[in-house]
Amino acid sequence: DTAVSQTPKYLVTQMGNDKSIKCEQNLGHDTMYWYKQDSKKFLKIMFSYNNKELIINETVPNRFSPKSPDKAHLNLHINSLELGDSAVYFCASSQGISEAYEQYFGPGTRLTVT
Amino acid sequence: GENVEQHPSTLSVQEGDSAVIKCTYSDSASNYFPWYKQELGKRPQLIIDIRSNVGEKKDQRIAVTLNKTAKHFSLHITETQPEDSAVYFCAANTLQGAQKLVFGQGTRLTINP
Repeated sequence: DTAVSQTPKYLVTQMGNDKSIKCEQNLGHDTMYWYKQDSKKFLKIMFSYNNKELIINETVPNRFSPKSPDKAHLNLHINSLELGDSAVYFCASSQGISEAYEQYFGPGTRLTVT
Repeated sequence: GENVEQHPSTLSVQEGDSAVIKCTYSDSASNYFPWYKQELGKRPQLIIDIRSNVGEKKDQRIAVTLNKTAKHFSLHITETQPEDSAVYFCAANTLQGAQKLVFGQGTRLTINP
């Protein structure tokens, strides 16, 4: 009965490849997020979707393309992977955007680009 | 936009002592201040939050204080235990544009037995 799940947990790939990370939440939340946590543990928001609509895009390179097929799923596709993309990517969800709510994080996907 | 500064970056205390982590924020419109705990290799999890209509909130050994005038808030952990060792993040919401959380840089807390 995991609230927010991500796959895969680990991803090792070479520069130039394209990869996807999937996220699902079973909390009935309206809003989902992607965060990047770098090697210094800094957590930075990348994207946010509310009811399948993109509402936040934090100057992320065009190589990153999120997709929300429905409000329970938010996937992240990355083209032409670079060394600097190595990080832990967290998906999160919250009740909505009408006011600030607790964000529930997924287990993270550790991406290593070689 | 919102900027959240967190100090210290590392903190080491003896088991049983208290630990205090401090954060400042820049957006005076912010009204929600959560604290997340991230154990090694795990996801961040909310441990306590406070909204701007209160100055203090307590949950067992954990308390958070908020000073809206000075734009700073703090996490206090009393009677620390080894399982309190983790990275702690403060955050503040920003209401400029779409609502989001801006996180501090994190504090690595180590409890020495």
